[in-house]
Amino acid sequence: GDSVTQMEGPVTLSEEAFLTINCTYTATGYPSLFWYVQYPGEGLQLLLKATKADDKGSNKGFEATYRKETTSFHLEKGSVQVSDSAVYFCALRNGGGGNKLTFGTGTQLKVEL
Amino acid sequence: DTEVTQTPKHLVMGMTNKKSLKCEQHMGHRAMYWYKQKAKKPPELMFVYSYEKLSINESVPSRFSPECPNSSLLNLHLHALQPEDSALYLCASSDRLREYSDTQYFGPGTRLTVL
Repeated sequence: GDSVTQMEGPVTLSEEAFLTINCTYTATGYPSLFWYVQYPGEGLQLLLKATKADDKGSNKGFEATYRKETTSFHLEKGSVQVSDSAVYFCALRNGGGGNKLTFGTGTQLKVEL
Repeated sequence: DTEVTQTPKHLVMGMTNKKSLKCEQHMGHRAMYWYKQKAKKPPELMFVYSYEKLSINESVPSRFSPECPNSSLLNLHLHALQPEDSALYLCASSDRLREYSDTQYFGPGTRLTVL
């Protein structure tokens, strides 16, 4: 079945550091890929998405490129802020009924001054 | 506007109580979802409604009873819950009318504690 693998956290960075959170997936067909962010005590917010190979999703300085050849969708940001501290979930949606999302385990990011 | 609202924000209930969680969206979406999220885990799908009809039940115990009274509202009725049901309950919605417009938008969640 479909699966998503994320790097283990927590990831701790200093403010203005470069961020990469790795995400790889296993799926048949051509899934859509998503990054969601969850701030402490809140629900999930869509951060960005890509629906086909070589698409780049971007939002709030975050970027991720859908790489079919490496089955990856790594999240990057050039300069993180303390306010980026949150849990980041990579997810995929494959074809078929139900519009089901398959989530990775989540990666906690802590940004320090 | 991509807002999904949920009430209440917090709920504490005993194992013999009956309570309900409410979710509302005004984006014209025709698919709505309930998820359960335990601490430090990803959300787990519970139910999916499509055009106000139950489409998916992920083998959820009958003490959880969903209801979709209209296209904007989704309820989750709770009865005889167990302490292990304590979790963050998330509602989401998506537009199923247009191809590739399958993004799910989540509400802020209801944090449920069962004593």
